Amino acid sequence: EPEVTQTPSHQVTQMGQEVILRCVPISNHLYFYWYRQILGQKVEFLVSFYNNEISEKSEIFDDQFSVERPDGSNFTLKIRSTKLEDSAMYFCASLVGGGTGELFFGEGSRLTVL
Amino acid sequence: GESVGLHLPTLSVQEGDNSIINCAYSNSASDYFIWYKQESGKGPQFIIDIRSNMDKRQGQRVTVLLNKTVKHLSLQIAATQPGDSAVYFCAENPGGGSYIPTFGRGTSLIVHP
Repeated sequence: EPEVTQTPSHQVTQMGQEVILRCVPISNHLYFYWYRQILGQKVEFLVSFYNNEISEKSEIFDDQFSVERPDGSNFTLKIRSTKLEDSAMYFCASLVGGGTGELFFGEGSRLTVL
Repeated sequence: GESVGLHLPTLSVQEGDNSIINCAYSNSASDYFIWYKQESGKGPQFIIDIRSNMDKRQGQRVTVLLNKTVKHLSLQIAATQPGDSAVYFCAENPGGGSYIPTFGRGTSLIVHP
């Protein structure tokens, strides 16, 4: 069964460092998302991406965050200068087409900022 | 209901019982609702969805009920199994042309063998 894959599964970084989280969405999907989940809390929307540009973003997705689809398969989330409060599980998700439907989530990348 | 910080509402049931997980949503303009299951250490997994023009939808062992009058959603799981133990989230799509599932806080379901 096709799946969304994410790397790394866990990254530990020092405050102020740049982090790149990588995702390979399902190959025929067109819409891509990043969500985050702080430990024990709800899953929060960060950004959606379609046709090589951001469709929507939340208040969390400030200037420290960026997304990119550099090569037609990877979808990356970059945090320029990490803060302690960026520690969370980051989930990538993809959707086959427009409208509504099943978002397929990856297993997540756990980011720990020290 | 709502929870603060790390405390999740918890539902404990015996294997074989039926489970009902409730969710109150906030946006009367939401047009599409989804239930997700999240097992420990994994990403959310789609269970079932319902559009706002429906009040009930059934899947395999699961039923979703939507009451738009009181902005309430429920997930019924028949003959609950230990493998159903997980955190369950309802999500609403705010409508307006975008598709941005917005998650609620979740309910922890514990199924005792």
